Amino acid sequence: AQTVTQSQPEMSVQEAETVTLSCTYDTSESDYYLFWYKQPPSRQMILVIRQEAYKQQNATENRFSVNFQKAAKSFSLKISDSQLGDAAMYFCAYRSPYLNSGGSNYKLTFGKGTLLTVNP
Amino acid sequence: GAVVSQHPSRVICKSGTSVKIECRSLDFQATTMFWYRQFPKKSLMLMATSNEGSKATYEQGVEKDKFLINHASLTLSTLTVTSAHPEDSSFYICSAEVPAPGRAELRETQYFGPGTRLLVL
Repeated sequence: AQTVTQSQPEMSVQEAETVTLSCTYDTSESDYYLFWYKQPPSRQMILVIRQEAYKQQNATENRFSVNFQKAAKSFSLKISDSQLGDAAMYFCAYRSPYLNSGGSNYKLTFGKGTLLTVNP
Repeated sequence: GAVVSQHPSRVICKSGTSVKIECRSLDFQATTMFWYRQFPKKSLMLMATSNEGSKATYEQGVEKDKFLINHASLTLSTLTVTSAHPEDSSFYICSAEVPAPGRAELRETQYFGPGTRLLVL
């Protein structure tokens, strides 16, 4: 079974600075998807960025970018020019491209989350 | 992106009653929807996977008769908490996956509803 580890329960960053959130995962599969989701105080889960494992190029979305190291099974999220609205819980997630052994659909495996505080 | 709605956003009910939560994909057809439960400051816990036109697949430890799931159409899944008790109080979130083929940047990605806060008195 796949596991996702976020080793930083909490992080803080000054407004306008850059912060990197860590995520590692364990899998025996060669193709898969990785995601970062953001959950602000409203508790709405928002997709931040998506990476397909077969793509070597790191995904970017405006101020958000990832450092995807497939061999190291690492998928960190970099937030540049941090804004107050970036304050949230961030979850890293893994999705297999294959049906799981129970025959059910493509579940997401989440990490425990990193709470990001942005200081003005 | 893809939009998922969830209704109601908040519900308070008496112990012993049943509560229905609706999850709708607004701008795409979702053959698969997911139901999660989240405790404060914790990660999401998958309860079940809902497939259009077939029975839901429940995760280990989730009571099927307690949490009834119906996925009657490609845009609607419902979760009914039957005979609710205070320990069922929680934040429930649904998601829908954009199926392949579809827009390349969206497919095989789960999009989440805004969640439902359930309080059972």
